[in-house]
This record gives sequence, structure tokens and C-alpha cells, in this order.
Amino acid sequence: GAGVSQSPSNKVTEKGKDVELRCDPISGHTALYWYRQRLGQGLEFLIYFQGNSAPDKSGLPSDRFSAERTGESVSTLTIQRTQQEDSAVYLCASSLAGKLAEQFFGPGTRLTVL
Amino acid sequence: GQNIDQPTEMTATEGAIVQINCTYQTSGFNGLFWYQQHAGEAPTFLSYNVLDGLEEKGRFSSFLSRSKGYSYLLLKELQMKDSASYLCAVRDNYGQNFVFGPGTRLSVLP
Repeated sequence: GAGVSQSPSNKVTEKGKDVELRCDPISGHTALYWYRQRLGQGLEFLIYFQGNSAPDKSGLPSDRFSAERTGESVSTLTIQRTQQEDSAVYLCASSLAGKLAEQFFGPGTRLTVL
Repeated sequence: GQNIDQPTEMTATEGAIVQINCTYQTSGFNGLFWYQQHAGEAPTFLSYNVLDGLEEKGRFSSFLSRSKGYSYLLLKELQMKDSASYLCAVRDNYGQNFVFGPGTRLSVLP
């Protein structure tokens, strides 16, 4: 079956513009995660969804970042008024419910803010 | 606070055995996970440990000691394709958040 997909794969934008990143999880996966990975660094947790609710938004770096999810499917991560420090790969992962459920990662969106 | 430590880089020779250590201090514990990430690609799942001890999965094994906040990933019969970053992650007390370590970049030399 299809894995996690993300779009766009690459996004170049100018400082101050808004961007929207999309994640399509594996069908049936109720949990969805967004991470940020800067060049040469580890994964930074941003937000977690269980269904369409987000019980943990603690990782969102500022109020310029927001995310939503429709039911148990597509999620969008929106970054408003982008800054150069937002440049990174944004990874989405999904998993079945359950504490030991394995996460499956999408290919990521590489965001470059000029 | 949440803190996970791993060595930044390691080098090993093809055919050898390498052990990648991970120490953690988190607000709770609901499993420790290891992921492999090749350059420019997304992480892929390798293994997880919930109870103390060794979990073996082919050439890869992972060990956990919860009392010590310590895990290691053991890679045997190294192959060139094993050159990648290895990420240690802990699922926290509420079973919601994964805290990732910085990753260990492994280079396998001929």
C-alpha cells in the first residue's frame, strides 16, 4: 500500500511569505506527527495529532506556526511570515494508535527561505 | 527536561561490529526506538525496546536498561550500505511525544 506522502517535495519562498505544507498519512493511521530537521541536526518535534485533535502542540516554535488535520487524514502545517531560520526539512510521520506503534515517515518537504 | 545523548560520529570497517550508545533523561518512558536515516532520506524504523534486555533482529540488535537510562544499537557484519545516521528516540510518559536524539553518523569504510 501507499506510504506517507508529503507535498511539495521542495519549496523556495521569500522571507515574509506564508507557506503551507501537506501530509497524507497511511490510511488507517490515527496518529500523525510533524517534525523539523535542520541541516545536519536531529529531529525536532513540532506537533502531534490523535485523530483531528492535537493534544500536544508544545513543539511549535512560535505563533507563526500552526497545523490542522481533517479527520484522520490529511494534515497541513502552515508557517506565516516565514523567516530564514525556518529553512529546514519538514517531516511528517504517521502511526497506528498505541504506545508502541512504529512511526512511518514521509519523504519530507525541503523548505528554503531566501 | 528531556535530553537524549548519542555520539556525533563513528567510523567502522566493513565486516566489523559497531555499538552505538544512547543515554536518555525524559519525563517518562514508554519505549525506546531506533531509526536509520540515510543522507537526504526520511528515517526508517529499525527496532524498539520496552523491557530491559536485548532484542535481536538479524544483523541489528538493540539493548535497553531502564534503570540506567541507557540503550545501545549493535550492528554486526557491517556493510557499506550501513553508512547512515542512527537516531535514538524515546516515547514520553504520556505516550504521545517522541523525543529524538541528535543522531550518530556512522561511516563504514572498506
